[in-house]
Amino acid sequence: DAGVIQSPRHEVTEMGQEVTLRCKPISGHNSLFWYRQTMMRGLELLIYFNNNVPIDDSGMPEDRFSAKMPNASFSTLKIQPSEPRDSAVYFCASSPRPVNTEAFFGQGTRLTVV
Amino acid sequence: AQSVTQLDSQVPVFEEAPVELRCNYSSSVSVYLFWYVQYPNQGLQLLLKYLSGSTLVKGINGFEAEFNKSQTSFHLRKPSVHISDTAEYFCAVSERSNYQLIWGAGTKLIIKP
Repeated sequence: DAGVIQSPRHEVTEMGQEVTLRCKPISGHNSLFWYRQTMMRGLELLIYFNNNVPIDDSGMPEDRFSAKMPNASFSTLKIQPSEPRDSAVYFCASSPRPVNTEAFFGQGTRLTVV
Repeated sequence: AQSVTQLDSQVPVFEEAPVELRCNYSSSVSVYLFWYVQYPNQGLQLLLKYLSGSTLVKGINGFEAEFNKSQTSFHLRKPSVHISDTAEYFCAVSERSNYQLIWGAGTKLIIKP
């Protein structure tokens, strides 16, 4: 298996623009997580999906952030409009079971908003 | 509420020397415990996990960790480090019935030649 695949690896955008991050989880995994990593705040869980359904989005910073999982093999995280404080590394992770005995991480998307 | 404390933000150690990275957690219920490693510009990779059973857990790359329930600790050890172990190491905990992983702040392992 190729693991969790995220695209793009790097994204530079101007403040106010829409940004879409993409994730393909490992086949057969029914749990998907979006994380944000910054120096100041460490790893933060943004949203958790189970069987394509959002279960917990309490970590989504504000209404500018939205996430979807239209099918078991694809998820997106969208920021609209983007702001410089959104600059971070965004990770997608998948897990074979709802109870998080192990999460498999993608390589991340480094987002820079200028 | 659950929390995870990694006591050292950086640990410098000479190559081939032993190392211990410390992790303490707080929880009122039974937990699963994890150590992940993050190499530069990479995602996180599972090193080892404690779910139940033997309190000494062996992982990849020669690492091991010991679960100490009375001290609520899960320290990571390696008897002899290599330059390739340079990375950031994260301790994480989850309640047994909960999907939520609570993360420590990370410890950067710096290997000195």
